[in-house]
Amino acid sequence: GAVVSQHPSWVICKSGTSVKIECRSLDFQATTMFWYRQFPKQSLMLMATSNEGSKATYEQGVEKDKFLINHASLTLSTLTVTSAHPEDSSFYICSARDGSGTGLNGYTFGSGTRLTVV
Amino acid sequence: QKEVEQDPGPLSVPEGAIVSLNCTYSNSAFQYFMWYRQYSRKGPELLMYTYSSGNKEDGRFTAQVDKSSKYISLFIRDSQPSDSATYLCAMSRDNYGQNFVFGPGTRLSVLP
Repeated sequence: GAVVSQHPSWVICKSGTSVKIECRSLDFQATTMFWYRQFPKQSLMLMATSNEGSKATYEQGVEKDKFLINHASLTLSTLTVTSAHPEDSSFYICSARDGSGTGLNGYTFGSGTRLTVV
Repeated sequence: QKEVEQDPGPLSVPEGAIVSLNCTYSNSAFQYFMWYRQYSRKGPELLMYTYSSGNKEDGRFTAQVDKSSKYISLFIRDSQPSDSATYLCAMSRDNYGQNFVFGPGTRLSVLP
């Protein structure tokens, strides 16, 4: 089946530094990538949607200058958390839509990244 | 009121039990109702989904939707320890990923 590889699985960084999270679709072309954030005991919340080669569309309340998304190829998307602060500590997860997939079966999630900012 | 509500658990049941997982929602525009299973340190994977109302069965799993009550359920028959995972419900008015709304997930443990 379709696989999305997400790295790193966990990261600890100092306040004020930047962290990059990568998602790669291993056996399909991801025409659209979704980035989510999940706080403890809360739902996955969509942060942004990106299409290959286009600028990402951010959800209301998500700072685009803080959460930089790059989707330069059909198999790779990155999320960079810039100038991280402790309140950015969360679980970040990507989901890729297979361009050739149909309906709801065409979405594959990465395994997530646990970010802790100290 | 949150758009989708789900009891986070944890829920512990003995092996072989029937498990009932539920979500309620407030948006009557939702037409697609999904259940995802997420094992520890893995991403969610789509277990099954239904469109509009009704039931859907797949092996030991049955998904039910009651749109009049804005209530969906996932039943697991003859539960196995391998079913231990977090189960997330998700809903959408269409099948475009940017419109999916997730519940927080229910953590299930099936004890041998």
